[in-house]
This record gives sequence, C-alpha cells and structure tokens, in this order.
Amino acid sequence: TQLLEQSPQFLSIQEGENLTVYCNSSSVFSSLQWYRQEPGEGPVLLVTVVTGGEVKKLKRLTFQFGDARKDSSLHITAAQPGDTGLYLCAGGKGFGNEKLTFGTGTRLTIIP
Amino acid sequence: DAGVIQSPRHEVTEMGQEVTLRCKPISGHNSLFWYRQTMMRGLELLIYFNNNVPIDDSGMPEDRFSAKMPNASFSTLKIQPSEPRDSAVYFCASSLVRSSGNTIYFGEGSWLTVV
Repeated sequence: TQLLEQSPQFLSIQEGENLTVYCNSSSVFSSLQWYRQEPGEGPVLLVTVVTGGEVKKLKRLTFQFGDARKDSSLHITAAQPGDTGLYLCAGGKGFGNEKLTFGTGTRLTIIP
Repeated sequence: DAGVIQSPRHEVTEMGQEVTLRCKPISGHNSLFWYRQTMMRGLELLIYFNNNVPIDDSGMPEDRFSAKMPNASFSTLKIQPSEPRDSAVYFCASSLVRSSGNTIYFGEGSWLTVV
C-alpha cells in the first residue's frame, strides 16, 4: 500500500515556467521531507518541514506542509534545466522521524 | 566526509546465486537504512538499524533477504537465493537520529540485475 501519492507523476515544462508538485496522504506524519534524485545517484534531502502550515523557501523552491500534516507541496519558480530530476516526498514517523515512507515520485524535466 | 559508501555499484548474477551488498555508513551516524527502488514500487524501506540493532525489518520481502550490522561502520544485505524479481537498485543510507529530527544521507546505490 502506497501511503504517499505524488502528482503529477511526470512533468515536462519549458525553462522559465513555474510549477507545483503535490504530495498527498491519508496518514498524519510527524515530519515531511522533500528529496531530489538524479540519475545514477541516491536521493538528496532538500528540506524538512515539521509544523502544520509551515512554509520554507530554498532559493526558487517553496515548500509547504499542510495544516493537518497529511499533505505537502513543492513550488518551483522560473524553472531551470538544473531542476531536472526525480522529486520524492517522504513522511516521517518515529522518535527522530527516522522511519520514512517515500512517495511515488514526480519526474520533472525542464526543457531549455 | 566520504559519505555513505556502497559496494558493488553494479552486479549481474544468475538466478539462485547468493548476492551480498555492502555498506559503510557515515562515521558518527547511529542509524542505518536499507532501501530498494524499482520503477513499479518506488523507494521502499527494507530494514533499519539503530546503534547496530535492527529496529524494524517489516519491509524485508521474505526469508531470502537478511541484513546484518556487526559494528557501527559496516552492514550487509544478503539475498539467498536470488530471483529475477529482486532486480532493483538497493540503497544504503545513514543518519544521526535525535529527538529534534535527522537528515538521512543516501549512498549511490547498488544496481542488481538477476537473470
């Protein structure tokens, strides 16, 4: 059973455009993390949000945790080819939120 | 720091053979995780250790899979006997878990193909 559903599954847009990726669950998580994975490599952590309604910004990326801590979104402004990759959300539970359940992933391609 | 080191990076083996994947976590980290990634099922947690003790192995598919962590700097994931459906990328990851949260660092993965 996949607890975290991401949408869209695939997204291909032109450089300079804006986009939003969604991560939804019926479960409540203590924390929500976003990772980016490039071909041939492991996922790399982008951000962690822990409070319902929390918003974090990382340059052109804006992350939001839903008020009920069941969903999250990632918004990219003025996408660049370097943003291309597989974006994964992951819900954390446990003492240090170490037990992560990963989402289905969004494969993003930015066309120059 | 060298990061999480996995070996081998690529392995092709015949069905029925034993496969051993190895992992060296980041020094000082107290938790180690084994994940499997496939197109169909995404990234799945197989097992994780805290202070070298297995905490949750509910993700291990079946008895053919076993994992050990004899010390803080080494872990293995063994598949015996291997089957074609075990073909996947296996990631090892480590973190320093604290009540305030943690950051998990992934290795580059071991690409396993069972023919």
